[in-house]
Amino acid sequence: QQPVQSPQAVILREGEDAVINCSSSKALYSVHWYRQKHGEAPVFLMILLKGGEQKGHEKISASFNEKKQQSSLYLTASQLSYSGTYFCGTEYSGGGADGLTFGKGTHLIIQP
Amino acid sequence: GAGVSQSPSNKVTEKGKDVELRCDPISGHTALYWYRQSLGQGLEFLIYFQGNSAPDKSGLPSDRFSAERTGGSVSTLTIQRTQQEDSAVYLCASSSRDRVYSPLHFGNGTRLTVT
Repeated sequence: QQPVQSPQAVILREGEDAVINCSSSKALYSVHWYRQKHGEAPVFLMILLKGGEQKGHEKISASFNEKKQQSSLYLTASQLSYSGTYFCGTEYSGGGADGLTFGKGTHLIIQP
Repeated sequence: GAGVSQSPSNKVTEKGKDVELRCDPISGHTALYWYRQSLGQGLEFLIYFQGNSAPDKSGLPSDRFSAERTGGSVSTLTIQRTQQEDSAVYLCASSSRDRVYSPLHFGNGTRLTVT
């Protein structure tokens, strides 16, 4: 089952904050976040596990709400380099029993 | 170390021909994934290999698509009787599933164009 991402696209000025959401209708084991720049392969940002704490990477952090089966990615004081498409990927069981299913992505454009 | 390697990087083929796309995962990675990405679209799951388990083929769009993984390492995705709608970038990723946190490492993809 494909997770649902929102919004589909965001346009920000440099220095503004953004939140990208990823929701599932099925109980989640883990959520992955990746960023893809135009013409390049997706690059890993972070993983959140059920029962785990909020993770952070530079000015990018994420949370995992097990009750809502939702993860949110927070981009603080956005930089031009943050532009790209952000994908969340979800696992429904641990131990590698199933693969990773990605949402349709959120296009983020940072303007100077 | 070396990352995930895919070949060819570009492939142009005529409608109706068969194509083979190759993926060399990171050494020691037990999990291997194939995804398809059409222009401006998301990552469409195709197939997942994990160790010696039977692959998860639930994402293959038709019986023209097949994949194998030999010796738990190199994988080949085969598309028979290609159609124009098969045109896309095919991405391979691998991960080590023996740790709790095991991110996917993507290759640079094969851009397939069916004329």
